[in-house]
Formats: sequence, C-alpha cells, structure tokens
Amino acid sequence: DIQMTQSPSTLSASIGDRVTITCRASQTIGTWLAWYQQKPGKAPKLLIYMASILQNGVPSRFRGSGAGTEFTLTISSLQPDDFATYYCQLYESSSETFGQGTKVEMK
Amino acid sequence: QVQLQESGPGLVKPSETLSLTCSVSGASMTTSHWSWIRQPPGKGLEWIASIYNPETTFYNPSLKSRVRLSVDTSKKQFSLNLISVTAVDTAVYFCARRAAAFDYWGQGILVTISS
Repeated sequence: DIQMTQSPSTLSASIGDRVTITCRASQTIGTWLAWYQQKPGKAPKLLIYMASILQNGVPSRFRGSGAGTEFTLTISSLQPDDFATYYCQLYESSSETFGQGTKVEMK
Repeated sequence: QVQLQESGPGLVKPSETLSLTCSVSGASMTTSHWSWIRQPPGKGLEWIASIYNPETTFYNPSLKSRVRLSVDTSKKQFSLNLISVTAVDTAVYFCARRAAAFDYWGQGILVTISS
C-alpha cells in the first residue's frame, strides 16, 4: 500500500505569511494528488487536483506543485479564512489514501 | 448544483450493522462515481469504499470484509452497510462524489457505536 506523509503536522503562522505544506508518497504516484481544506465541524473542501489544478472557485493564493513522490501546497499570503486543517490525498480508484493532515494555526 | 445528504441512525450497537444512505441532487447517478469516507473524532480522514458506474466497487482493504455498497438510481441514492461494528467504527461518515478527486461532499453524519 502507498503511504502519504504530510509535514509538518502543525504549522503556526500569521496573516500575510507564505505557508508551505509538504506531502510525500511512499511510491511514485505521477500527479494523482489532491489537496483539501477542512474546518472544524465541516466537510473537507477540494482545493487542488492533479497536483496543480485549482478547483473552480478556489482563490489563486493556493498553489499546488510536484510530481512523483513529493508535492507541496503553498498559500502565498495567508488570510484569516485559511486557518484550517489541510489534507493531501492520493486518488486512485482502488487506493484513495489521505495524509494525516496539517493544522494551520494562528501564531 | 450538486448536493449530497447523509441519513441514518446516529447510534448503533456493537456487533450490529451500520447502514447509511446518501441522497444526491444535481448530478447524474449513472455518469458519476460515489464514495464513502469517515473521520473518527479528532482524527484524520479514511476512505471506506467507492462505487463506479455501473456497479464496479472498490474497497479499503482494511474494511473490505465488512463493507457493502449499493446504488439506487431511481431514488438517486447510494448506501453503505458496515457489518459487525465496534467502538473503533465511531466516526463522522461522509458521502462524496468521486470525479476529479472528491469534489462534492455531504455534511457528514456522526455515528456512535455504543450499547
């Protein structure tokens, strides 16, 4: 089974900061990688798919990059609405594996 | 606008079967794929299973022996059955559309396993 590992687990940042979250796959997965944002008590929201394609309606300050085994989610200028937990996910029909999550909290 | 809504009991006894239904609006049941994902309290997301048009199913290997999915296109619903539940199955259960990843989600339903 392919494992997805995110780092860091928690990230403290301030409004306006550039934030980067890393996701590593235990085997190469091409660009079959999605990123989600989840706020407490809510369902996850798809931000990015195919590693770098922004889902409709998602602000352009979110950017995904990477291929193979290493991927990053970058928020160019952190906004108040961005404090949340972020998950990466390998999406492959028989192996839909999530990372353990990265909580972005206020410094 | 695609909308999904989970329904079912919020409390299930240990060793019994957890049964949930997801009602879909704004999307074709026959040209979309459908999934269940769960999240134990305070923990991360775990994919349970997916059903692809027409009836190809994929299961998380760790749950495969206890899970069954079904689709009722006439009612625009799909369902999850998880048998022989224990306390570790306590979680918020989400249904989702599987397109470019999971692009639409239900709000989630908390199911507690307790006697």
